[in-house]
Formats: sequence, C-alpha cells, structure tokens
Amino acid sequence: AQKITQTQPGMFVQEKEAVTLDCTYDTSDQSYGLFWYKQPSSGEMIFLIYQGSYDEQNATEGRYSLNFQKARKSANLVISASQLGDSAMYFCASHRGTGGFKTIFGAGTRLFVKA
Amino acid sequence: DGGITQSPKYLFRKEGQNVTLSCEQNLNHDAMYWYRQDPGQGLRLIYYSQIVNDFQKGDIAEGYSVSREKKESFPLTVTSAQKNPTAFYLCASSPTTSGRVPEQYFGPGTRLTVT
Repeated sequence: AQKITQTQPGMFVQEKEAVTLDCTYDTSDQSYGLFWYKQPSSGEMIFLIYQGSYDEQNATEGRYSLNFQKARKSANLVISASQLGDSAMYFCASHRGTGGFKTIFGAGTRLFVKA
Repeated sequence: DGGITQSPKYLFRKEGQNVTLSCEQNLNHDAMYWYRQDPGQGLRLIYYSQIVNDFQKGDIAEGYSVSREKKESFPLTVTSAQKNPTAFYLCASSPTTSGRVPEQYFGPGTRLTVT
C-alpha cells in the first residue's frame, strides 16, 4: 500500500532563509507522481510543485524546488528566500500511475516564518 | 474566472439527518474528487470520478454517497450512517489529458458540524 510520511509536525524559519520540508513515500509502483500543496489558514489547498517518477531532473517552480531522491524514496520540498506569507501547512502527496486519480496525502508540516 | 465553488462554507446539521454538499467546477476537467480533513491531519479520499456517470470509492467511502450526472457537478451526500461526520470537506478537480501535470484544483471547502 502507498504511504506518505512527513516527520516534521512543525518547522520554524527566519524570513529570507531557505527551509527544507521532508517527505518520504512508500510505493512498489514504477509509475507514480509526487505533489506538494500549501494550505493557508483559509483552508484552500494550493498546488505548488509536481515530480513524476520518470522525471530525471528535480522540479522547480519559482522559489520552490523538489529534491527528488528516488532510491531513498524521498521528495523534500525546498523553499528559498522564505516570506511571511509562506506560513502555512504543507502537504506532500502521491498518486499512482497516470491520471493521478487515487491520491494519498501525508499528515502535513506546519511552517512558521519569523520576521 | 475559472474555478471550483463549494457551498455553503459552514453547515450545521442535527445527528441523524442526511446532508448534501455542493461542488461545481467550470474548468472543463473530467476528474473530480471529494476529500475529508480532520483537525491536524492530512486529506483522505472519499470518492472520485474520472468521467460523467462513473465514480469510485476512495479510502473512506462508508457513510457517504455521490453522483456525477454532469461534468461540472459532483455533489457529496453525508448520510446518517457516517459515524463521525463533523469535518472539513474539500472538493477538487483535475485534468486527465495525457502529458499534463495532474495537479488537483481545490475549492474553498465546507466545514460541516453535526450535533
């Protein structure tokens, strides 16, 4: 069965510094995808970044990058130059095969950015 | 503007009553999803639908029912059989076109309280 593990319930980072949020996954599938979503206090989920299992290069989207280490089954999110607006819950998620229909989420990491 | 709407934002019901949560999208996405989120936890998949008139159970479908009669709409009914219905419910949709990132677009959520 698939499982997503986020071991950091809460993280603090100083404004303008970089922070890494950890995510490990457990799957026996060859084809899968990994996502990171941000959930502000408003509750809405915001897509940040995606990495397919066959993508050889790490995904990047602006200040977000995904450190994908397939052999270790980890997909850590790196946020560079943290901003106060980055304070939120962050969820790692995975889907099986193509289409991304059956997605599972980790328990999340709450990030606090300090001024 | 394209997006997903969920109504109402807050919903209160008495125990033993069925309640239907609305979800509408105008993104022309084929796939739609319902998730449940409990305090301090990640999202759990209730039901998903890949195409009109077809839907599959997710990980926690017991006590819930859905319909998909139109591409734009995917209502969720929380029945009296659901033991702990109080939660935050999120609806999402995603494209199924090959080659596109299968990110899910989320609605603002409905917070259901059953007493």
